[in-house]
Order: sequence, then C-alpha cells, then structure tokens
Amino acid sequence: GAGVSQSPSNKVTEKGKDVELRCDPISGHTALYWYRQSLGQGLEFLIYFQGNSAPDKSGLPSDRFSAERTGGSVSTLTIQRTQQEDSAVYLCASSPSRRGGRETQYFGPGTRLLVL
Amino acid sequence: GQNIDQPTEMTATEGAIVQINCTYQTSGFNGLFWYQQHAGEAPTFLSYNVLDGLEEKGRFSSFLSRSKGYSYLLLKELQMKDSASYLCAVSFWMDSSYKLIFGSGTRLLVRP
Repeated sequence: GAGVSQSPSNKVTEKGKDVELRCDPISGHTALYWYRQSLGQGLEFLIYFQGNSAPDKSGLPSDRFSAERTGGSVSTLTIQRTQQEDSAVYLCASSPSRRGGRETQYFGPGTRLLVL
Repeated sequence: GQNIDQPTEMTATEGAIVQINCTYQTSGFNGLFWYQQHAGEAPTFLSYNVLDGLEEKGRFSSFLSRSKGYSYLLLKELQMKDSASYLCAVSFWMDSSYKLIFGSGTRLLVRP
C-alpha cells in the first residue's frame, strides 16, 4: 500500500479482555516498530522487528504484551487481560531497513485503545 | 539513564520565527530526528542530524551540537498549519541494538 495502515482505528474494550492490534507496513519495508503514546506524552518504544524476528523486545511493559510478524509483512500486537493503564494510542512504524539506526520511520495512523 | 528534554508548549505568531530546543543525555549517539505530529495524527519525519551544524530544508532548519547534547528546530515564516507537536528523538546503541527514544514533544500554537 501507499503507507502504513493499522486496524482497528479505535477499540473500546472491558478490563480483563484480550485485544489484537494489526499493522500493515509499507510494502518492502523490512523493519517494523510498535510504540505506545499516552495522552500528551511522547512515544514509548515497545518492540522492533527485522523481518519476522524481534531482536529488541525490551520495551514491552509486561508479559501481557506480545507481538508477532509473519511473512515479513503484517504484524499483530496482542494485549492480554487488558488494564485501564493500557489505554493509549498504539502506533506502528516501518522503515526500508535498519541502516545503523539512522533510518527514517514511517508511521501509521495508530489504534486508539480505551479500556473501561 | 537516557533522557530527552523539550519545552512542553510554545506559542508564536503567524509569519514569525520560532526555535524549539531539545537537550539529550544518552549513553551513545547515532543521530537526532525531528518529527511533526498534528493532533490525532501520526508523526511525520522532518529532519535528521548526525553531524554538528545546521541542516536547512525550506522553512524548517535543524541544528545539532553533539558536544553540548543540544539540538533545535527552527521554523520560519510560521503558518497556521504549523500548529502541531514537535518530537525530538535520539538514536543510540545499547544492549546490542540501536535504540530510538522520543522526547515528550513540544506543542506549538501559531496565532494569527
């Protein structure tokens, strides 16, 4: 596609339920990133994929968070047993490759998650 | 620890010039990015600096001083559409991986 797409755009769920967020990166981009942005805050790094492998999972806040990427393309971020503090905008970004940390990242529109 | 500081909010007048500062303390340095984020939208890339000095790109310029851990984004001939948050981000190497950390962003309000 022309840009990074994410779905759903908005998600409201009840505390304790599981949610799945999807990211479709720009075609051909091998690097994919997930971030979380709380209201009025900067971006908090969650996880980075190079192809299908995740060399950096250091940002995942707890074992309730997991992510996978298949076929070197689509990625899903899963949050199990959601808590109210998980409410945030979840942003996905992709880049053509990991050029020594100097790559420009292209962001999707985000998924706004609200946990009631 | 790693830290990036930016002012929380700034206000400027249409047609004027505004400078948004960013200071950082990181365990290494591999480049500094500026992103623009309009309310409710995704961040979009503005600039990248890895060497000291000024990079100019149209109405926007970005400056870097590595020795001072300091950067600024300069916006000239401000337009109403420049009202947005401006995010400073620093890339560095740690734990066998490149990291990119973002500041909390500076909300810029451009007034007529």
